[in-house]
Amino acid sequence: EDQVTQSPEALRLQEGESSSLNCSYTVSGLRGLFWYRQDPGKGPEFLFTLYSAGEEKEKERLKATLTKKESFLHITAPKPEDSATYLCAVRPNFGNEKLTFGTGTRLTIIP
Amino acid sequence: DVKVTQSSRYLVKRTGEKVFLECVQDMDHENMFWYRQDPGLGLRLIYFSYDVKMKEKGDIPEGYSVSREKKERFSLILESASTNQTSMYLCASSREQRGYEQYFGPGTRLTVT
Repeated sequence: EDQVTQSPEALRLQEGESSSLNCSYTVSGLRGLFWYRQDPGKGPEFLFTLYSAGEEKEKERLKATLTKKESFLHITAPKPEDSATYLCAVRPNFGNEKLTFGTGTRLTIIP
Repeated sequence: DVKVTQSSRYLVKRTGEKVFLECVQDMDHENMFWYRQDPGLGLRLIYFSYDVKMKEKGDIPEGYSVSREKKERFSLILESASTNQTSMYLCASSREQRGYEQYFGPGTRLTVT
């Protein structure tokens, strides 16, 4: 069974304090790993797709990386507007079309 | 930009009522999905559809049904609402391609009393 575990559950940072969020996964062959941002009361917003180990993607202060067992979402010099819950999901190579999601990391950036 | 819209942001229904949640996407995507999201449980897939009139069960289909008569529209039906179906319901769509990212609507917060 595919599994996704995100850590930490919650993270509080001072503005400008860089850190990383972790997504560990177990999947029977990875077709893609996805990062989403979710603001309270809203639907998830797509950020990145990673396909294979060693791949990296960047967007503003965020950088996502991928190994064979985990992905990291690095946030550099965060601002208060980066506060949100960040979700990770995986799609296996085989089986039906569904994604398996982690429960997310709730990130709070303190001004 | 991909746009996925849902018919209501907030909905309050009584136990036993039949409830319809509507989702519309404007990007000609083949796949559409219904999830529910509950604290501590994350997003769980209820049903998905990969073509008009086609559907497949997700992880938690019990108590739900779906309808897809047109490519852009996917409906979730609660035949007889129960209090344990109080949740945030999220619709998503995607194109069938290697990237397979799903784009989500704003969600419907359903409360069953």
